[in-house]
Amino acid sequence: DGGITQSPKYLFRKEGQNVTLSCEQNLNHDAMYWYRQDPGQGLRLIYYSQIVNDFQKGDIAEGYSVSREKKESFPLTVTSAQKNPTAFYLCASSIRDSYGYTFGSGTRLTVV
Amino acid sequence: AQSVTQLGSHVSVSEGALVLLRCNYSSSVPPYLFWYVQYPNQGLQLLLKYTTGATLVKGINGFEAEFKKSETSFHLTKPSAHMSDAAEYFCAVTLDLGSSNTGKLIFGQGTTLQVKP
Repeated sequence: DGGITQSPKYLFRKEGQNVTLSCEQNLNHDAMYWYRQDPGQGLRLIYYSQIVNDFQKGDIAEGYSVSREKKESFPLTVTSAQKNPTAFYLCASSIRDSYGYTFGSGTRLTVV
Repeated sequence: AQSVTQLGSHVSVSEGALVLLRCNYSSSVPPYLFWYVQYPNQGLQLLLKYTTGATLVKGINGFEAEFKKSETSFHLTKPSAHMSDAAEYFCAVTLDLGSSNTGKLIFGQGTTLQVKP
């Protein structure tokens, strides 16, 4: 079945370490997105990409980096510059010129 | 700037009672509107969406929502709550339409629905 796979589901890292969250989709969707979810704050856009080798910053890009070398993959790196990285991270994708997302199941990152 | 407001961060209903989750948006042009549901530690699942046409939209699991331009609202309803409806619900909008479409969605802060037996 087609879908979006985020891995791992739970991730623990020490403060000061970079960590990369994986997002892979086999839906042949053009656009991919990363959101951060914190209790009571809804979802906030980190980065998005509409085509391969191109991506744009969202509302809270500081301390994060992404790449889009393949249509299927959009990994997110949480760097040591992100001051409060503990959160639930959601990846989503959509068909270009369409509206509405398909979401992955999320990665819960805890930094200690 | 466009924004989405969900009135009430927590809503509690009895099983079998009407569910009403409120969503208002701010925009000078009619947006496209969405409702998503999220169960604990999972991603979001699309319940329904309004783009154009009929303003009353029916979705999955018996939910529906009505787009009211004059009230800038898109409230979610279900006639009879079931225990399995307990989850967090998000309203979202996009104004990125047509040639400038980036597909970005802006989400409300979410409403947690509790269903009491």
